[in-house]
Amino acid sequence: DAKTTQPNSMESNEEEPVHLPCNHSTISGTDYIHWYRQLPSQGPEYVIHGLTSNVNNRMASLAIAEDRKSSTLILHRATLRDAAVYYCVKDSGAGSYQLTFGKGTKLSVIP
Amino acid sequence: DAGVIQSPRHEVTEMGQEVTLRCKPISGHDYLFWYRQTMMRGLELLIYFNNNVPIDDSGMPEDRFSAKMPNASFSTLKIQPSEPRDSAVYFCASSFPTGGYNEQFFGPGTRLTVL
Repeated sequence: DAKTTQPNSMESNEEEPVHLPCNHSTISGTDYIHWYRQLPSQGPEYVIHGLTSNVNNRMASLAIAEDRKSSTLILHRATLRDAAVYYCVKDSGAGSYQLTFGKGTKLSVIP
Repeated sequence: DAGVIQSPRHEVTEMGQEVTLRCKPISGHDYLFWYRQTMMRGLELLIYFNNNVPIDDSGMPEDRFSAKMPNASFSTLKIQPSEPRDSAVYFCASSFPTGGYNEQFFGPGTRLTVL
């Protein structure tokens, strides 16, 4: 099962943009990339997902490299409430809806 | 909708005892997932169901673990007998995937401590 690679931790100043990178070099052509985040003492929550083209929603933007081997989650203005562990997740493909979570990136937001 | 409901939220038990964790998925969701989270191993998928049928239980650590889904609105994860290394936070999640959209909705988790 192919894994994703993320930095262990990142810091950002409040109200500044944050770019969270993820490598998924062994992704197959039909695997979607999903991003989840986990706030302290809570279960993970969905952030965004995409296949090939960039995606935007009210929470964030997702930029996917043309070769699909990497992606970047963009938080346009970090707030203290965005401090969480962010997981870049690929589904298992082949019609399976399993998600394999890696270690994620712990984002700290500095006031 | 109340979201995914898990009970109990906290469970403290002694080694050798039976533990049963419960989950109520979001109404209308046809996939249900059980995860375990520890500092050492992160978030691991244990088993998942589709339309109440277990699809993949390869993540279940050993025979002491069992999961059932008797109907669309209820699932249990049982550990018998429990051991200290089972201490973890157990999450239940449900989803109704369509095409590439596969948002899983997680419950608040059950923090299990086995003494």
